[in-house]
Amino acid sequence: EVQLVESGGGLGQPGGSLRLSCAASGFTFTNYWMHWVRQAPGKGLVWVSRIHSDGSSSNYADSVKGRFTISRDNAKNTLYLQMNSLRADDTAVYYCAKEDNWSDAFDIWGQGTMVTVSS
Amino acid sequence: QSVLTQPPSASGTPGQRVTISCSGGSSNIGSKFVYWYQQLPGTAPKLLIYKTNQRPSGVPDRFSGSKSGTSASLAISGLRSEDDADYYCAAWDDSLSAWVFGGGTKLTVL
Repeated sequence: EVQLVESGGGLGQPGGSLRLSCAASGFTFTNYWMHWVRQAPGKGLVWVSRIHSDGSSSNYADSVKGRFTISRDNAKNTLYLQMNSLRADDTAVYYCAKEDNWSDAFDIWGQGTMVTVSS
Repeated sequence: QSVLTQPPSASGTPGQRVTISCSGGSSNIGSKFVYWYQQLPGTAPKLLIYKTNQRPSGVPDRFSGSKSGTSASLAISGLRSEDDADYYCAAWDDSLSAWVFGGGTKLTVL
């Protein structure tokens, strides 16, 4: 079964750090771009970041540039999001998503992990 | 404020046809494919339409997508109660070098 499972969410302090993980299974992880998308409580979807299949290239939304770092370990079939200098407006459910090579669509999504930034 | 603009809400009765619009610009919808995602309450988003007007296997043909200029639309015909969900449009934006989403449209089946 094709699956993405996020973990690492929880309570973070303003100015603090958290690292999210996304474990992939059921497909050849090394072949695909991977993304993080977040959704603040009661709000819409917001794209956060993406990383090339081999980790050589990445892009970020302006709102997280310089604070968040996306990475991957293809040997472990795992995607990461290192979140530093956390702010209250980073509070959201964070989804990882797989990008289909042909359609460029986000065809597989994880169930999400909740990050709450509060003192 | 989202780069792509959607109406916050839409509604219809069972069997009706509803359309959800998504307005963007030349750097996104105007030159790129549009994607639509459906999010049922409390669940992760699901791909509904890719490359503007293509349906993944398993998505009923009641759902269709189209584009004209810098605007796109999602049409749902033969509305059913299970279509009650949030719908998001998305596209790559060349100016931002980023994926952008619409703010989402909450569809209520009355």
